[in-house]
Amino acid sequence: QVRLQESGPGLVKPSETLSLTCTVSGGSITSTSYYWGWIRQPPGKGLEWIGIIHYAGNTYYNSSLKSRVTISLDTSKTQFSLQLTSVTAADTAVYFCARRTPRSNWFYYDYWGQGALVTVSS
Amino acid sequence: QSALTQPASVSGSPGQSITISCTGTSSDIGGYNYVSWYQQYPGKAPKLMIFGVSNRPSGVSPRFSGSKSGNTASLTISGLRAEDEADYYCLSYTDTSTEVFGGGTKVTVL
Repeated sequence: QVRLQESGPGLVKPSETLSLTCTVSGGSITSTSYYWGWIRQPPGKGLEWIGIIHYAGNTYYNSSLKSRVTISLDTSKTQFSLQLTSVTAADTAVYFCARRTPRSNWFYYDYWGQGALVTVSS
Repeated sequence: QSALTQPASVSGSPGQSITISCTGTSSDIGGYNYVSWYQQYPGKAPKLMIFGVSNRPSGVSPRFSGSKSGNTASLTISGLRAEDEADYYCLSYTDTSTEVFGGGTKVTVL
């Protein structure tokens, strides 16, 4: 059973960098079949797709966040990470990490972390 | 990258059928069959309900079905039950190799 778990600071100051890590267990993060992604949800609002990364290094980002987002893989630790720079209160959200299937499997998110609330405030 | 358009809320009585629409463009829903639907309870992670427009993962009730026509995808819940009360989101792949969610629909069982 694949499990994902987000971790990182729950409070970030405005203009600083938000950093979260997703630890994957029960499955290989180096599998060429899957992508690993981040999705967020501001309090009381809908889901927003942030971006994904593939083991081969391909990354794809939401165009509205692209200038501030970096997603990376640490295969030695079976983790992938999210960095979001120059944060504002609008970046306050629950951040989910998730596994995405490949094109041959219809591109869907089958495993999700429980979510981590990050508040941007001074 | 604008969010796909979903109705904010849909309601129905137990046993009835409801349909949630998700409208995009030819650059996302209309161009690909990579549409999935997720159910989310408050404070919980989303759960996959439909993938590839109309495919149901194992373990998901056959009361849930999906379809697509042009730039609009739809999720139908038949035989509505109290436990179906939740938020539902559509997700589509796009022509820039990114993905976009719908705004979400709150389903209320009357």
